[in-house]
Amino acid sequence: DIQMTQSPSSMSVSLGDTVTITCRASQDVGIYVNWFQQKPGKSPRRMIYRATNLADGVPSRFSGSRSGSDYSLTISSLESEDVADYHCLQYDEYPYTFGAGTKLELK
Amino acid sequence: QVTLKESGPGMLQPSKTLSLTCSFSGFSLSTSGMVVSWIRQPSGKSLEWLAAIDWDGDKYYNPSLKSRLTVSKDTSNTQVFLKITSVDIADTATYYCARRRVMDAWGQGASVTVSS
Repeated sequence: DIQMTQSPSSMSVSLGDTVTITCRASQDVGIYVNWFQQKPGKSPRRMIYRATNLADGVPSRFSGSRSGSDYSLTISSLESEDVADYHCLQYDEYPYTFGAGTKLELK
Repeated sequence: QVTLKESGPGMLQPSKTLSLTCSFSGFSLSTSGMVVSWIRQPSGKSLEWLAAIDWDGDKYYNPSLKSRLTVSKDTSNTQVFLKITSVDIADTATYYCARRRVMDAWGQGASVTVSS
């Protein structure tokens, strides 16, 4: 199975910060990485697909990038509504695998 | 409008079989390329992909659970089912279904508790 190593597991942040979360794939998954946002008691919401594409309705302060086997989600000028858990997913091959998640908390 | 909704027993006893249903509208599983996946999340933990079924009826399973999982769909291509045999406490989780490989739409989740 492909492992998605996500870091950090948690992050203490302030409003207005630029936040970057990273997932490293254990083998080549190409562009097939998504990022999801999840708020308490809610279903995951797709934010980024195919590593760099912004999903419909997602604010432009969110962006995705790739460098080799490292995939990053960046939130610029963090707003209060962005405080949530974030998960990466590789869907290049079955079994699909998620990262362990990153929890953003306000300082 | 695309919607998915999971349903299940809520609670069941260890060693029983868990049966879950994903009912959806706004798309058909008969559409070429369409896939519906099952994912679960124990409280406070990360997401785990379990299984998927595609428009052609091909099925895919997480090897760590494969022997216990069965995914299927109905003939109208508006429902997908998941069965998990021999459940134990570790299967306590919220179970989601999601549309397409890119998982662009999710259901609200069905909470399942395994307890004696």
